[in-house]
Parts: sequence; structure tokens; C-alpha cells
Amino acid sequence: DTAVSQTPKYLVTQMGNDKSIKCEQNLGHDTMYWYKQDSKKFLKIMFSYNNKELIINETVPNRFSPKSPDKAHLNLHINSLELGDSAVYFCASSHDVSGRGQYFGPGTRLTVT
Amino acid sequence: AQSVTQPDIHITVSEGASLELRCNYSYGATPYLFWYVQSPGQGLQLLLKYFSGDTLVQGIKGFEAEFKRSQSSFNLRKPSVHWSDAAEYFCAVGRQGAQKLVFGQGTRLTINP
Repeated sequence: DTAVSQTPKYLVTQMGNDKSIKCEQNLGHDTMYWYKQDSKKFLKIMFSYNNKELIINETVPNRFSPKSPDKAHLNLHINSLELGDSAVYFCASSHDVSGRGQYFGPGTRLTVT
Repeated sequence: AQSVTQPDIHITVSEGASLELRCNYSYGATPYLFWYVQSPGQGLQLLLKYFSGDTLVQGIKGFEAEFKRSQSSFNLRKPSVHWSDAAEYFCAVGRQGAQKLVFGQGTRLTINP
């Protein structure tokens, strides 16, 4: 059983397009996250949602818009894709906001050409 | 602000040899500390975590880590590595009540047969 799943696993698209990445967790967690891993493997948080409410927005361009239809889902929509958006995007979830550990999805490798 | 430093970008050890991966953090209070492993093309798997109490924590896959407050370190160890341990290892720091994790830049582990 996959705890945190993401679709698609790979996404290749052209500059200027709009794309979405979906994330679902079946752990019953209240908090979900999006992280970006760049080409140097550096991981940085982008957003955090708790009970469908935005908690963290780490100065991400507003071309990136997360949406949480329910506690089990956190989707990431990206408008007007740029070359610099190429990265691996990881979804994660945690039981609550206590900070006691997050569980990561398999990642979505986005390539913008 | 929290920060994490993993001084070794790449480490190579022989199969069966012992391993120590270094992690130093910067944080004013008692941190929450984590080690994650990322196998090629995979997501991040939580190896172990420290919140409080016994400073030597045991994790999965035979890994352990020791929290040393005086050195601001949380080094990961394994007495005998296996070829399957080849991966990228990330140290991360969080704190109570904070959702985001701050990651180090990762250490790539290569195993020689």
C-alpha cells in the first residue's frame, strides 16, 4: 500500500505551458507539504497545508498554486512554466504540525524544454 | 535561522566496512533531527529521528545516530554497510510546532564491492 503517492512520476513539457501534479496520502495525516529538489539535490520546502489551510508559503512565485480539496490530497498547479522550474517535486505528509517527522512521496520529475 | 551542514558531498566505502556520515546543525533550542535516505530515482525514506531523551537513536536498516549537543552534531553510523546502502543521505532539522524541515545538501554514498 502506497502511503504517499504522486502523479505523474515524470512530466516533460514546454515553456509557457500550465501543468498540475497530484498528491494523495492514505496515512490519515492532517498536514501535507510540497518540496522542490533542484539539480544539485538541494531540498527546499515550498508549501505546507494543515487541514486544508495554507500554513507555509516559502516565497514561491505565484505561478505556483497549491490546492487542497481535502486532507488527503494536495495538488500543485504551475502556470507559465519556465526552464528554471525543472526539478523533482516531492509531496510529503505528517500526522500533525508538531514537527515530528514527515513521510515523502516518490517524487515527480518535471522537465521544462 | 535553522541550517544544516553535511560536510561530505561524496563518500566511498567498501562493502562490510563501517560508515559514519556527518551532520552539523545550527539552531538555538533543542532541535528535532532526522536522517532520510534517497535511493536513485526514489523518494525519501525516513531512517531515524531524534526528539528528546536517549541521545543514541536506532533506526531502520541497521542505522543509528547520536545527538551531541556540545558539538551540534547528529552523525549517522552503520557498523557494516551493504551494497544496497548506496544512496543519497540527507540530514534534516525541525523544531517543535514548526512544520517545515530544513535539509542539508546531502551525502552521496558509494559502496565498493
